[in-house]
Amino acid sequence: DVKVTQSSRYLVKRTGEKVFLECVQDMDHENMFWYRQDPGLGLRLIYFSYDVKMKEKGDIPEGYSVSREKKERFSLILESASTNQTSMYLCASSSQGSPIYEQYFGPGTRLTVT
Amino acid sequence: SQQGEEDPQALSIQEGENATMNCSYKTSINNLQWYRQNSGRGLVHLILIRSNEREKHSGRLRVTLDTSKKSSSLLITASRAADTASYFCATDQNNAGNMLTFGGGTRLMVKP
Repeated sequence: DVKVTQSSRYLVKRTGEKVFLECVQDMDHENMFWYRQDPGLGLRLIYFSYDVKMKEKGDIPEGYSVSREKKERFSLILESASTNQTSMYLCASSSQGSPIYEQYFGPGTRLTVT
Repeated sequence: SQQGEEDPQALSIQEGENATMNCSYKTSINNLQWYRQNSGRGLVHLILIRSNEREKHSGRLRVTLDTSKKSSSLLITASRAADTASYFCATDQNNAGNMLTFGGGTRLMVKP
């Protein structure tokens, strides 16, 4: 059974803290994605990676950075958390080789910045 | 930017009724996908329809695609309380299909 796991389901951080969100997939997928989900705005792509050490900006990369040192792990970093980064963060992965391009999602991390 | 826009934003029906959700998009696509999200969880892929297909079935799901109108619909027949969830359409942005753009979703509530 395919699996995408995220390091925390719930996280509370203070303004200005550095925050790491970890995502691990066990499907040997080349592509990995970070989204944030806010009510009424759907999912918005923050960053994605199509290979180790490769990254591309999505629609809303400001205030975020990412790291992909190993194929199975994709980290989202909030260098200095702000209250407007309170959100649900979803990680996903997909195969480049598949003709389907469906994405597999983790359970999400609900981050609250106070 | 949101490529897909779902309509309605919320839908409430009785168990056994059919539920229809619509999605409109702005630019040409290679494929359109529908996902489901239970409250507070990640998304789960339901079905994919390619731009050269007009209709696709999977169990109680039926998806149609009208590329001339840039719209798609998801029909869930004989709904069950367990179908209560949010449903999102997603379209690809490039030929490689690596990235998807998601709409705002339709919240479906099926009352027992």
